[in-house]
Amino acid sequence: ELKVEQNPLFLSMQEGKNYTIYCNYSTTSDRLYWYRQDPGKSLESLFVLLSNGAVKQEGRLMASLDTKARLSTLHITAAVHDLSATYFCAVDAGTSYGKLTFGQGTILTVHP
Amino acid sequence: GAVVSQHPSRVICKSGTSVKIECRSLDFQATTMFWYRQFPKQSLMLMATSNEGSKATYEQGVEKDKFLINHASLTLSTLTVTSAHPEDSSFYICSASIREEQFFGPGTRLTVL
Repeated sequence: ELKVEQNPLFLSMQEGKNYTIYCNYSTTSDRLYWYRQDPGKSLESLFVLLSNGAVKQEGRLMASLDTKARLSTLHITAAVHDLSATYFCAVDAGTSYGKLTFGQGTILTVHP
Repeated sequence: GAVVSQHPSRVICKSGTSVKIECRSLDFQATTMFWYRQFPKQSLMLMATSNEGSKATYEQGVEKDKFLINHASLTLSTLTVTSAHPEDSSFYICSASIREEQFFGPGTRLTVL
């Protein structure tokens, strides 16, 4: 059974600081997704990582994938309040696309 | 990008009634759609895979007779929660994929009184 574990589960950051969220998974996969969820809303796609060594950046967020270590990271640079949300990683280990197993989620709060 | 819609966005029903939730792919065809459930302050859990023209595949622990899935066309999947009870109250989210890209619907919040 595929397990996806995120840490930390709760992250309280000061504006301007940097931090990293980690996502470990238990089986071979090269399809890793990061999502943002605001309260009461559905998921917003942040990154799709499809190969070992993949690195993608968008604004203050950067995600990477190490398939050998079964590890993905989401790095936050110079956090701002608008980044406050819950962040999920998800792994697709199926033979066809779409069946995702999600991590527990990381609740990020950015305060002044 | 591709859009997935859900209807209704919010529903409140009495215990014992049935509720139908629709998931539509608006600008693409989806032979497969996925239904997830998210309880408050928890992660998303896959409930079932909806297959156009054939039976849905349910995840372990999900009662197929309680959560009826119909995928009668390439753009529509429906999830019917039969004889709903308060413990079925949750946020239901569907998704569809175009190759490796996943597109999530806006979700349906079900409250069973």
